[in-house]
Amino acid sequence: DGGITQSPKYLFRKEGQNVTLSCEQNLNHDAMYWYRQDPGQGLRLIYYSQIVNDFQKGDIAEGYSVSREKKESFPLTVTSAQKNPTAFYLCASSISGTGAAYEQYFGPGTRLTVT
Amino acid sequence: SQQGEEDPQALSIQEGENATMNCSYKTSINNLQWYRQNSGRGLVHLILIRSNEREKHSGRLRVTLDTSKKSSSLLITASRAADTASYFCAGTTFWGADGLTFGKGTHLIIQP
Repeated sequence: DGGITQSPKYLFRKEGQNVTLSCEQNLNHDAMYWYRQDPGQGLRLIYYSQIVNDFQKGDIAEGYSVSREKKESFPLTVTSAQKNPTAFYLCASSISGTGAAYEQYFGPGTRLTVT
Repeated sequence: SQQGEEDPQALSIQEGENATMNCSYKTSINNLQWYRQNSGRGLVHLILIRSNEREKHSGRLRVTLDTSKKSSSLLITASRAADTASYFCAGTTFWGADGLTFGKGTHLIIQP
């Protein structure tokens, strides 16, 4: 089955620890995205990558880092510098990284709780 | 990308009724997309309407776009309990591969 997967579904961490969220897609999509969602809110863009070995900051990149070494993988690291890391994190991908916008395919999300 | 603002924030209707939700945006767009999110899940793409289209249908969904008013509407006909979800819109410019910006969504509840 083609799709986009995120793991784990739930993640608990102590304050001050870095944590990496996994995102993998087998859709052969060029573009990948990370969003954050807080309760009752819409999604906010953290980082996006239009092509392998390239990524750009979104609206709320502070305290986060990413890498895009492989087309199918776009891991997100939540660092200890992120002041309010507890949230629902969603990864998405789309066919093209340039030109006209295409629909995005979302993973099931990772709910991160930091105490 | 272009943020969409959905209205109303919440909507509760009886099963079988039609549900209409609206979206407004601020600047010119190339297309507008609607997504659905079930509680605690990822978003699912519903429909994309391009700026040169005025109306588009997909099953029980009907989307309209009025670029002069910078607004769009999503109509769900003959609602079902499974339609209970949050609905989000997002507009994109031509070079729209820089991610989508969503509003807070419309939370739709279908009463059985």
